Amino acid sequence: DAKTTQPTSMDCAEGRAANLPCNHSTISGNEYVYWYRQIHSQGPQYIIHGLKNNETNEMASLIITEDRKSSTLILPHATLRDTAVYYCIASAGGGGSNYKLTFGKGTLLTVNP
Amino acid sequence: DGGITQSPKYLFRKEGQNVTLSCEQNLNHDAMYWYRQDPGQGLRLIYYSQIVNDFQKGDIAEGYSVSREKKESFPLTVTSAQKNPTAFYLCASSIGAGGASKGYTFGSGTRLTVV
Repeated sequence: DAKTTQPTSMDCAEGRAANLPCNHSTISGNEYVYWYRQIHSQGPQYIIHGLKNNETNEMASLIITEDRKSSTLILPHATLRDTAVYYCIASAGGGGSNYKLTFGKGTLLTVNP
Repeated sequence: DGGITQSPKYLFRKEGQNVTLSCEQNLNHDAMYWYRQDPGQGLRLIYYSQIVNDFQKGDIAEGYSVSREKKESFPLTVTSAQKNPTAFYLCASSIGAGGASKGYTFGSGTRLTVV
């Protein structure tokens, strides 16, 4: 897995968009960008993944730069329940030929009322 | 609903005792994983298994053992050789080879405390 760099923590006001950045400058061409989140004392939850194109689902949007060296996870209308640690992972795995996903320390997003 | 179940949620053991953590999935996933998480830290891979009757060591396998006799089950034994076993243990599964997918499905974890 390519190394990823995320800020340690971020704050966001409830109802506003939360934009979580991730740098993955050494990402390989076959590596996807995955985002998971972990609410305190629970197992991580899959959010979204992408390769080159921007992706959107019911939870979030993923914006990947054209050179694929960085990405941003966007929670369009953050709620208090979105307070969690968010992990960005660059990997060919998670179902592909490389089975192991490496979880760093992630970004603690705190949504404030 | 399909999912992955870890039991128990909380587990207390005396130092020097082996303890086995259960992980069962009904997602028909080929691959299963065990991670350990310490306070304020990321997840560290202990063991993983791609198919039945086969498993590989992860980054911190010392003091742990696993078995994969059935596709649905991947129990983890924390042995007395593990020097610092108190931690939050997470089990996950994934669909297997064949390209990117939604990655891992995680259980809700077992918090092990050794006293």
